[in-house]
Amino acid sequence: DAGITQSPRHKVTETGTPVTLRCHQTENHRYMYWYRQDPGHGLRLIHYSYGVKDTDKGEVSDGYSVSRSKTEDFLLTLESATSSQTSVYFCATKEEIGTDTQYFGPGTRLTVL
Amino acid sequence: GQNIDQPTEMTATEGAIVQINCTYQTSGFNGLFWYQQHAGEAPTFLSYNVLDGLEEKGRFSSFLSRSKGYSYLLLKELQMKDSASYLCAWAGGSYIPTFGRGTSLIVHP
Repeated sequence: DAGITQSPRHKVTETGTPVTLRCHQTENHRYMYWYRQDPGHGLRLIHYSYGVKDTDKGEVSDGYSVSRSKTEDFLLTLESATSSQTSVYFCATKEEIGTDTQYFGPGTRLTVL
Repeated sequence: GQNIDQPTEMTATEGAIVQINCTYQTSGFNGLFWYQQHAGEAPTFLSYNVLDGLEEKGRFSSFLSRSKGYSYLLLKELQMKDSASYLCAWAGGSYIPTFGRGTSLIVHP
């Protein structure tokens, strides 16, 4: 494991409220990723980071923003949560770009009512 | 997309062998990952193939044919704990895995 923690692990919120999910890693991995996992869709990339303050969009980035001010922390923000953002969110890290192994955090289950 | 295709569900018997297939787009290919995910848990890395052929790791083996855009995960001596989803993921130039929808494997006694 790469010492990845996610907080909160579970959250219920209401439509229109802002939500921030945190991913914290202790392995000094350069690359960090946010995925969402929904039945019938598998894991889909939301945003990723290739260094402090360096981020890029993934396949399903609309409605999400990210920030990485320190190597160890990668934040995912839903500016105004919608019911379609109800999902399980996984953070992942990778040491370097060509390294084969991507490590996943335990996940955050988010419900937007 | 990367047109990653794998069966939705498979069933097998404890002690048997099962092969989970995955096909993908060959253009821009840089590697093929397999992950295991138990219900309610995070995916865990199983294998990464970038060259053609079979790689064996204990009871699990992974095969790749780059020209055919085809991979499979072979699980031998199945155990009940192998009941899980198996995720095939394609890596392109950025090396960021793009995941298929996963194959749910049910192992019964």
